[in-house]
Amino acid sequence: GAGVSQSPSNKVTEKGKDVELRCDPISGHTALYWYRQSLGQGLEFLIYFQGNSAPDKSGLPSDRFSAERTGGSVSTLTIQRTQQEDSAVYLCASRAMGDGNTIYFGEGSWLTVV
Amino acid sequence: AQRVTQPEKLLSVFKGAPVELKCNYSYSGSPELFWYVQYSRQRLQLLLRHISRESIKGFTADLNKGETSFHLKKPFAQEEDSAMYYCALKGGGYQKVTFGTGTKLQVIP
Repeated sequence: GAGVSQSPSNKVTEKGKDVELRCDPISGHTALYWYRQSLGQGLEFLIYFQGNSAPDKSGLPSDRFSAERTGGSVSTLTIQRTQQEDSAVYLCASRAMGDGNTIYFGEGSWLTVV
Repeated sequence: AQRVTQPEKLLSVFKGAPVELKCNYSYSGSPELFWYVQYSRQRLQLLLRHISRESIKGFTADLNKGETSFHLKKPFAQEEDSAMYYCALKGGGYQKVTFGTGTKLQVIP
């Protein structure tokens, strides 16, 4: 079975441009997370989707960041007017209810803003 | 509110030496605690969870509710243990999982 899939795996964009990062969670997983991992830094929580509940957006660093999850499956993280400090690895993860609450991570999307 | 604290950003030990990666948490209820690991050029993955009371790759972690700690231990470090380790907490119900900031373990040959 496929794991969490993210695309693109690498993205280089110019400062000021918008980017979209996509996440395909494991089929049937109701919870989906976005995290950011900057060079030499730990995991920074961005946003959490759980089923049909309102998402927990408390980790989004600014209003330039937004995320959607369509049909309870695929999610898109959008960064508008990118800045150099947005350069990081963006990790998506999903979790099924039960299964010991294990979170399964994707390989990440490496974003470089030049 | 949930909080996970990993006080060490970097821990360097010699091969064969004991390892203890510290994790303290703050949560008012009964949490589930986890350790996740990220080896170089691999995706982040579960190492162990407290409810399983298991030993994985020689690592163990005991939940100490009195000290609100969940330290990760291994008696004899191996070079292949070098990685980034994250402690994580999940509250009850649909609450999200909260991660600590991570500790980089460096095992010196």
